[in-house]
Amino acid sequence: AQSVTQPDIHITVSEGASLELRCNYSYGATPYLFWYVQSPGQGLQLLLKYFSGDTLVQGIKGFEAEFKRSQSSFNLRKPSVHWSDAAEYFCAVGDSGGGADGLTFGKGTHLIIQP
Amino acid sequence: DTAVSQTPKYLVTQMGNDKSIKCEQNLGHDTMYWYKQDSKKFLKIMFSYNNKELIINETVPNRFSPKSPDKAHLNLHINSLELGDSAVYFCASRRDNSYEQYFGPGTRLTVT
Repeated sequence: AQSVTQPDIHITVSEGASLELRCNYSYGATPYLFWYVQSPGQGLQLLLKYFSGDTLVQGIKGFEAEFKRSQSSFNLRKPSVHWSDAAEYFCAVGDSGGGADGLTFGKGTHLIIQP
Repeated sequence: DTAVSQTPKYLVTQMGNDKSIKCEQNLGHDTMYWYKQDSKKFLKIMFSYNNKELIINETVPNRFSPKSPDKAHLNLHINSLELGDSAVYFCASRRDNSYEQYFGPGTRLTVT
């Protein structure tokens, strides 16, 4: 069964500093990988996705992520965070078999931005 | 022009009651889902519907029943509500041949 691990429950970063959120997955075939963001009291917004091709993917709000098959990782990065980036971030893996299975989510990383 | 909408946004009810949460998507997507987010913010798939047929049904109690009157709607009906059903429920949808899912704003259910 597929699984996703986000090892950091909370991360605190100063405004303007760089950010990296870790995500490791377990999946037998080529995974479809996603990062979603959830602001307080809001739904989930898709930041970026990886299906195939270039392993460095660009997303919205200045985020990027790099797929590393050898490390089973899909870490999210941003060069300079803004106070509005404070939110819960979820990494997810989808079924690449073409079925209708739902996404498997990690437990999330809570990002705190210090002024 | 909300893509995936849910009603109500908040739902407070007593144990033993029956309630429904509605979901509508105007994206023309083919598959719709229900997810449950618990108090620790862990998200787990509950159901998916494709072309009015249930595709997967995770190990949720049979008190939960998804109902899809048409391709654009997937409602969640819950019988005999229990305290442990308190959570945020998210509806999502995706198009065939695409794996990205679009989520609704969520419904916070509180059972007292």
